[in-house]
Amino acid sequence: GDSVTQMEGPVTLSEEAFLTINCTYTATGYPSLFWYVQYPGEGLQLLLKATKADDKGSNKGFEATYRKETTSFHLEKGSVQVSDSAVYFCALNRDDKIIFGKGTRLHILP
Amino acid sequence: GAGVSQSPRYKVAKRGQDVALRCDPISGHVSLFWYQQALGQGPEFLTYFQNEAQLDKSGLPSDRFFAERPEGSVSTLKIQRTQQEDSAVYLCASSPRTGLSYNEQYFGPGTRLTVT
Repeated sequence: GDSVTQMEGPVTLSEEAFLTINCTYTATGYPSLFWYVQYPGEGLQLLLKATKADDKGSNKGFEATYRKETTSFHLEKGSVQVSDSAVYFCALNRDDKIIFGKGTRLHILP
Repeated sequence: GAGVSQSPRYKVAKRGQDVALRCDPISGHVSLFWYQQALGQGPEFLTYFQNEAQLDKSGLPSDRFFAERPEGSVSTLKIQRTQQEDSAVYLCASSPRTGLSYNEQYFGPGTRLTVT
């Protein structure tokens, strides 16, 4: 069945460092891909999405490109801030269900 | 506007008790979803409604789990004879339409269930 694999955390970076969180997926066809974020004490919220191959989703300085050839959707940010500390989930949509990865906890040190 | 709300936010139940978890979706949203999130894991799909019709319940882990949305708005997830393995955060999400894979789902804050 469909699945999402993302790098395990926690990931700890200093403020202003470059961030990459790897995500690969297994799916038939071309599902939509998402990154969701869960800030401490808050609910899940959509960070960005891409609906077809080569699409780039972006929001709040974060970017991810839908790569069909490598079945990947890696999350990147050029300069992280302390406020980016959260848990990040890579996900795909299959028949209206969202299938999530296990999540990557990100700690940003000032 | 108001987002998805869930109640209670925290629930402690003794093993064997029945519990009921409520979800109020965003007004007018057609689709409603329930997910279960175990500690340190990503959410896992439980069931899905389009209006009052339960279209998919393939993720419900056992027949102790039951969900309803009788008027196509508020939904209740009921767990009978709770077991320790039911301890998790139960997330509700709603979406304005269905059948579109790029539809965003809007999540509530979740109900943390602890079974002792």
